[in-house]
Amino acid sequence: SQQGEEDPQALSIQEGENATMNCSYKTSINNLQWYRQNSGRGLVHLILIRSNEREKHSGRLRVTLDTSKKSSSLLITASRAADTASYFCATYPRDFGNEKLTFGTGTRLTIIP
Amino acid sequence: GAVVSQHPSRVICKSGTSVKIECRSLDFQATTMFWYRQFPKKSLMLMATSNEGSKATYEQGVEKDKFLINHASLTLSTLTVTSAHPEDSSFYICSASPSGRAYEQYFGPGTRLTVT
Repeated sequence: SQQGEEDPQALSIQEGENATMNCSYKTSINNLQWYRQNSGRGLVHLILIRSNEREKHSGRLRVTLDTSKKSSSLLITASRAADTASYFCATYPRDFGNEKLTFGTGTRLTIIP
Repeated sequence: GAVVSQHPSRVICKSGTSVKIECRSLDFQATTMFWYRQFPKKSLMLMATSNEGSKATYEQGVEKDKFLINHASLTLSTLTVTSAHPEDSSFYICSASPSGRAYEQYFGPGTRLTVT
């Protein structure tokens, strides 16, 4: 079963605004990753944040991680129409012997031109 | 770098037939490949993990005799859906992981399977 839950499930904003998506998970992690998926396509890796990191930036993306709350957020600043996609968080466990990514339920982001 | 391809991108087959999906890592060797299934507007569900030269490890609830996985080389894994039924219609995505870095996966573009 999926352990990650994204919030909100769907988000529509005007172009130029910032978009924030949240991800909650249940078990201890080694790292958490965010992916983007355009409709009917594969996944594109956006950013990885390790369990000992609290914040990470990549271009217009800002990811935070709060391991005490088992949650992460993805902020996309100055959104563009091309950012329209589904965004998934994925957790990689801390424990050995269970090396697989577990994906969240995803947030469908729509940028309105 | 780190490109993964899937073939075909889209396939329609009749109920009862089998269909094979290929997943290739184009510019790196992948000890481990993963197969996922995705229903419309849903998350990715891991089906199985395949390691080169050994039997695939299937997730709970996935029928190994229905979803045959072969990982014959470090750059190729195949998923064969046997005796397909309409409920097998889905989007199948593979990923490949470079040796020793299972947390780092590169995803293929996916295959849309429609069973009529």
